[in-house]
Amino acid sequence: DQQVKQNSPSLSVQEGRISILNCDYTNSMFDYFLWYKKYPAEGPTFLISISSIKDKNEDGRFTVFLNKSAKHLSLHIVPSQPGDSAVYFCAAREGQSGTYKYIFGTGTRLKVLA
Amino acid sequence: KAGVTQTPRYLIKTRGQQVTLSCSPISGHRSVSWYQQTPGQGLQFLFEYFSETQRNKGNFPGRFSGRQFSNSRSEMNVSTLELGDSALYLCASSRTLAGGLYEQYFGPGTRLTVT
Repeated sequence: DQQVKQNSPSLSVQEGRISILNCDYTNSMFDYFLWYKKYPAEGPTFLISISSIKDKNEDGRFTVFLNKSAKHLSLHIVPSQPGDSAVYFCAAREGQSGTYKYIFGTGTRLKVLA
Repeated sequence: KAGVTQTPRYLIKTRGQQVTLSCSPISGHRSVSWYQQTPGQGLQFLFEYFSETQRNKGNFPGRFSGRQFSNSRSEMNVSTLELGDSALYLCASSRTLAGGLYEQYFGPGTRLTVT
């Protein structure tokens, strides 16, 4: 059973507009969440993260929002650029220091149209 | 600073064979994790090694094993290959920074095809 779900396999957005990628989770013990971007033939690259004690973290064009009561997080990219076209994975951390495990979603393919 | 390297990048094997994949982490990173990526399943955690010891394990059969050497390089072995083992195998090296922030970098992966 998927503990981290990305229900939209793909998303298309016009250049300059906002991209919103969503992620839902089931385990309330997750304490840290991360977003990764993956281009074809490359490994995932870290984008942004958020601790469960926060509800927002911003880094340039990227903002991650966390709604713990809804067990939902989202990644906002504003403004979207063609170079943002990639597969985006959200990941959640469980466990304790020294035994952390990272659970990934299935990914959302973002296409930014020029 | 060199990134995470994985060898080989591509591999074709037949059912029943065994395979060994290699990962060299970023210098200074002592933790190496392995993931399997298949379409529709995302990245699934295989195991993590830290200082030559397996410290965490995902839900994969015993055919999947690994080890880590004193220089932090890691190998993953899959025995008695099955068609369903065809996937992209990703290695990630990581470290925890001051303040509890976590840093994880992935290699480009090894694309394994089992025929």
